[in-house]
Amino acid sequence: NAGVTQTPKFRILKIGQSMTLQCTQDMNHNYMYWYRQDPGMGLKLIYYSVGAGITDKGEVPNGYNVSRSTTEDFPLRLELAAPSQTSVYFCASSLGLAGGQETQYFGPGTRLLVL
Amino acid sequence: TQLLEQSPQFLSIQEGENLTVYCNSSSVFSSLQWYRQEPGEGPVLLVTVVTGGEVKKLKRLTFQFGDARKDSSLHITAAQPGDTGLYLCAGARSSSNTGKLIFGQGTTLQVKP
Repeated sequence: NAGVTQTPKFRILKIGQSMTLQCTQDMNHNYMYWYRQDPGMGLKLIYYSVGAGITDKGEVPNGYNVSRSTTEDFPLRLELAAPSQTSVYFCASSLGLAGGQETQYFGPGTRLLVL
Repeated sequence: TQLLEQSPQFLSIQEGENLTVYCNSSSVFSSLQWYRQEPGEGPVLLVTVVTGGEVKKLKRLTFQFGDARKDSSLHITAAQPGDTGLYLCAGARSSSNTGKLIFGQGTTLQVKP
């Protein structure tokens, strides 16, 4: 099992450009999450999904969109990139049977720089 | 507003020393987790505590959940250079089955040989 994979690893965007961060998991997990990590700020939840076709906002959803058409994939879309979106983005997944007591498995992250 | 406050934010110690990292909140959590993150990688779960007063040990690491389930601590005995990394606590606010976690801002630990 590859676990949670994310692409790309690093990207530079110009202000106003758009891009999609890809996330795929091969563990048949129901729950998937997108976080951003800024220096000294821990991780902030952007969006999450409890199953295919179901998504919901987290703490910091503004400027982002998600979709979950399959169990495996959970792409994060940035529209009109802004410097404030410069961050490291992590995708995670969990089985979805025990809520907050479950292990979340994280991908290696995507480092995004918006100039 | 940071619901989970970790302290200290940065800790640099010599190999063999002991240390404690704290994770505090004014809110009650149904469970609390500790993750460890190395540079360039995603966080990896170390432990989950769910009962007030619970103590769990993982080799030289001891985790405790406060009696009121508002705080937690991580104690490392005889720290090794391999313990270097970012330690994150994360709490689940309710028993609802969404798995949503609130993360502390992290404690960066540097253990010098």
